[in-house]
Amino acid sequence: EAEVAQSPRYKITEKSQAVAFWCDPISGHATLYWYRQILGQGPELLVQFQDESVVDDSQLPKDRFSAERLKGVDSTLKIQPAELGDSAMYLCASDRFQQYSGNTIYFGEGSWLTVV
Amino acid sequence: QQQVKQSPQSLIVQKGGISIINCAYENTAFDYFPWYQQFPGKGPALLIAIRPDVSEKKEGRFTISFNKSAKQFSLHIMDSQPGDSATYFCAAVVGSQGNLIFGKGTKLSVKP
Repeated sequence: EAEVAQSPRYKITEKSQAVAFWCDPISGHATLYWYRQILGQGPELLVQFQDESVVDDSQLPKDRFSAERLKGVDSTLKIQPAELGDSAMYLCASDRFQQYSGNTIYFGEGSWLTVV
Repeated sequence: QQQVKQSPQSLIVQKGGISIINCAYENTAFDYFPWYQQFPGKGPALLIAIRPDVSEKKEGRFTISFNKSAKQFSLHIMDSQPGDSATYFCAAVVGSQGNLIFGKGTKLSVKP
């Protein structure tokens, strides 16, 4: 079964260091999302891509976060410098449609970040 | 920021009982209301969903009840099983925008 791949699964980094997460969506999925899920809360959208273009990054803290999807396939989310409040799970999701249709969006298993 | 308010935060149910999770929203532009199930260490997975023109949707042991006038919807899990123990998130989306707005989640524990 096709799945959204994310790495690393777990990352511990010191405050002020840089960290990066990688996502490989399901083949053929044009839409890619990055969500942040703080422990005990629901996922919150950080950025949405359609192919290589950013559709929505209104909730992305652009002073320290950046995201790219250069060839419209895999994507990287970077945080520099990391802060204690960035400790969370970073979820990647992909969809073959741009408009949400429910059963075509798939989430990866997430990348856990702990900032110490 | 658009919000979806979910309650309770945690729920303990005996095996065979009914689990009920409630959600409320404000934005009348929402046109799709999915529920996601998340097991520890895994990403959320779609469980069941409903559109606002329907008052109830049932899939197996899972039922969504939708009250458009009250802007509330709920998930009922009948004959709850220990394997249902997970965190459940209600969500809402304006379909044309494709941005899921999640509730804060309910951690369900079903005791044998």
